[in-house]
Amino acid sequence: NAGVMQNPRHLVRRRGQEARLRCSPMKGHSHVYWYRQLPEEGLKFMVYLQKENIIDESGMPKERFSAEFPKEGPSILRIQQVVRGDSAAYFCASSPPNRALEDETQYFGPGTRLLVL
Amino acid sequence: GENVEQHPSTLSVQEGDSAVIKCTYSDSASNYFPWYKQELGKRPQLIIDIRSNVGEKKDQRIAVTLNKTAKHFSLHITETQPEDSAVYFCAASMFSGGYNKLIFGAGTRLAVHP
Repeated sequence: NAGVMQNPRHLVRRRGQEARLRCSPMKGHSHVYWYRQLPEEGLKFMVYLQKENIIDESGMPKERFSAEFPKEGPSILRIQQVVRGDSAAYFCASSPPNRALEDETQYFGPGTRLLVL
Repeated sequence: GENVEQHPSTLSVQEGDSAVIKCTYSDSASNYFPWYKQELGKRPQLIIDIRSNVGEKKDQRIAVTLNKTAKHFSLHITETQPEDSAVYFCAASMFSGGYNKLIFGAGTRLAVHP
């Protein structure tokens, strides 16, 4: 059973370009979370999605950032017109679709390390 | 919103000693407290978690305690080994609406010296 997959693992962009980060949850998982980790810091919640729905985007910057989780295919975190401050590791996590607290463990992907030049 | 404080930021111990990392949280409604271990350049990996209906949980050399009244929880690692060296993150969340929004502490860098 494959774990959470993310690609690319490393992404270099110049200021003003777009960055697209992909996350494929574990098989059978329908809940996806995105977190950002700045160097030497903890992880910060960005957004929580279910298939075709954004449930909680309270941690997303208001501009340039968007996320989706289509019916088919991976979840995408999109950053438009990147700036140097966007350089960070972006992790996604997935959890199963059950409603019990005991089933809400989040499993993290390997992350995408974005470097903006 | 929830805020999680984690101490110490760095911890250095000799192999075989115990290590204790402490976290406090602000939202009394939080009911799920996982601990993650992150090695350099790797993904965070869940090592242990505790729910608010439990005061203590143990898994081999790792234990977590929770004090809901004081709103703090701690990670205890006994008989530390060099491979325990990593950054450890605590987190707190309130399971609501069918999901957990984890709020992480800033991390503790643990170094275990042979």
